[in-house]
Amino acid sequence: QQPVQSPQAVILREGEDAVINCSSSKALYSVHWYRQKHGEAPVFLMILLKGGEQKGHDKISASFNEKKQQSSLYLTASQLSYSGTYFCGTELGGSNYKLTFGKGTLLTVNP
Amino acid sequence: EAGVAQSPRYKIIEKRQSVAFWCNPISGHATLYWYQQILGQGPKLLIQFQNNGVVDDSQLPKDRFSAERLKGVDSTLKIQPAKLEDSAVYLCASSLRRVDGYTFGSGTRLTVV
Repeated sequence: QQPVQSPQAVILREGEDAVINCSSSKALYSVHWYRQKHGEAPVFLMILLKGGEQKGHDKISASFNEKKQQSSLYLTASQLSYSGTYFCGTELGGSNYKLTFGKGTLLTVNP
Repeated sequence: EAGVAQSPRYKIIEKRQSVAFWCNPISGHATLYWYQQILGQGPKLLIQFQNNGVVDDSQLPKDRFSAERLKGVDSTLKIQPAKLEDSAVYLCASSLRRVDGYTFGSGTRLTVV
């Protein structure tokens, strides 16, 4: 039931764009995205709900394709501060709100 | 608002010893989670509480792990006896509403030698 993330790692230069994908074999109710910097706690970025719209703030946005049970995180004009490991967390729905996380995508932004 | 507090920050123990971790969630957050994060992997849910009741502990190795949440606030996670494969970061998280996501604590890094 663990979602599959791709790519496993990506290296960018400042100002470049990146896309991180998350897919599930199960029907999803929501997809969460978190960023974790080395040695720190994961930080919530955004949630995409079933039937909801594409989300975004600043230069980070995400989409959720319900037909394919896939979500994509888009980072445009990347900044050094975007470096870290990005995790998607998937929720199957029901009354119990709990997330299953993917293995993560390590993003490195170089000057 | 104050974040999720966890202690200790680091712990090194020998295998077969016992260890306990403490978590204080954000005030008012009814749901509390303990996740295990092995180096290079995503967090794995161990146990979920709603107030002081257990909602999901299906992935908790109950022969050695135990957890409680007294009075629906603080929580402790215990391992007894520890194994080498328990070396990981133990993350506590709390949530109020789905749309706000989880708030994680800084975690406890456990090394079993």
